[in-house]
Amino acid sequence: AQSVAQPEDQVNVAEGNPLTVKCTYSVSGNPYLFWYVQYPNRGLQFLLKYITGDNLVKGSYGFEAEFNKSQTSFHLKKPSALVSDSALYFCAVSVPRNFNKFYFGSGTKLNVKP
Amino acid sequence: DAGVTQSPTHLIKTRGQQVTLRCSPKSGHDTVSWYQQALGQGPQFIFQYYEEEERQRGNFPDRFSGHQFPNYSSELNVNALLLGDSALYLCASSLTGQGADTQYFGPGTRLTVL
Repeated sequence: AQSVAQPEDQVNVAEGNPLTVKCTYSVSGNPYLFWYVQYPNRGLQFLLKYITGDNLVKGSYGFEAEFNKSQTSFHLKKPSALVSDSALYFCAVSVPRNFNKFYFGSGTKLNVKP
Repeated sequence: DAGVTQSPTHLIKTRGQQVTLRCSPKSGHDTVSWYQQALGQGPQFIFQYYEEEERQRGNFPDRFSGHQFPNYSSELNVNALLLGDSALYLCASSLTGQGADTQYFGPGTRLTVL
């Protein structure tokens, strides 16, 4: 069975500091990996995805993510956090040839303090 | 370029009633997926429609049904509502055949069952 784990319910970071939001996955086959962000009372906004190639993927709003096959991880990172980055972040995985059924993690609330 | 739109924004129903939620995909997209997001959880896949057919289904009872129209818009129907059906219902659209089909989400419909 496919699954995604986000081990931290909440991450607190000071503005200007680097941030990391963790994600690990368990799938059969090579995964496609995604990060989405959700602001209060809003839908999910696409940040970035990993398909193949370079393990470091760059996305929207200065976010990037590092794919690590041996550790089955896809951690979201940003060199310098902004207060406006405070939101709920979801990691998702889909499996090729499975018609793009997405499996989501439980989400991590990012709090960036001034 | 219009993104994914959903209606209504909010809905209040009582147990046993039936509800219909609507979704218009992003321009150029032909595939619609529906997700249920309970409070404090990640989205759970309900089903996906492509070429007016349901081609993938998650672990949801038959009370949940859907439809896709020739213009690619979609409806989600839930019969015999239960209290546990209270959630944010998200629609996501994508374009099949583009490799890793990134799903773009609408703002959601908040359903409250009393």
